[in-house]
Amino acid sequence: EAGVVQSPRYKIIEKKQPVAFWCNPISGHNTLYWYLQNLGQGPELLIRYENEEAVDDSQLPKDRFSAERLKGVDSTLKIQPAELGDSAVYLCASSPGLATNNEQFFGPGTRLTVL
Amino acid sequence: GENVEQHPSTLSVQEGDSAVIKCTYSDSASNYFPWYKQELGKGPQLIIDIRSNVGEKKDQRIAVTLNKTAKHFSLHITETQPEDSAVYFCAASKGGTYKYIFGTGTRLKVLA
Repeated sequence: EAGVVQSPRYKIIEKKQPVAFWCNPISGHNTLYWYLQNLGQGPELLIRYENEEAVDDSQLPKDRFSAERLKGVDSTLKIQPAELGDSAVYLCASSPGLATNNEQFFGPGTRLTVL
Repeated sequence: GENVEQHPSTLSVQEGDSAVIKCTYSDSASNYFPWYKQELGKGPQLIIDIRSNVGEKKDQRIAVTLNKTAKHFSLHITETQPEDSAVYFCAASKGGTYKYIFGTGTRLKVLA
């Protein structure tokens, strides 16, 4: 079974530029998460989707960050404009859904460097 | 607010020895406790988890214990091998919320 797929794996941009990250969750997983992981820290939740609905986006900086999961499968996280402090690893995770276990399965992440 | 403390931040052991990583959570309503292993350049990988209705769970060389009264849970790795070297994260969550609160990680080095 394929795991969570993310692309790109690495991205280097200049500040004030836009950037987008893509995630394809494990097949059949209804719940999708985007996390931010700063160096030396644990992941921090940005947004959670149940199918195509964003059910928890309280930690998403909405002035510059946006996300979508239009058909309830793939998701895109966007930053516009990027700031120096956005340099981090952006992780996507998925889980089967509310009726099953809590296990979350992570993708390899996208390492963003903002110059 | 909700918090998970993790200790130690770094741990070096000789190959074959045991390693123990400890976490403490603040929210008494937490009932699910996963452990993740993260290798360099990779995403976190779930290695073991425990639910609040169980005190201990074991999977080969890895075990997790939970003390609900003290709000402590620990990861135990026996007979460590060089490939166990990685950063380990604990997390706590409440059933139905799916919100994980992660610890700050432990960098484990197994010396050959």
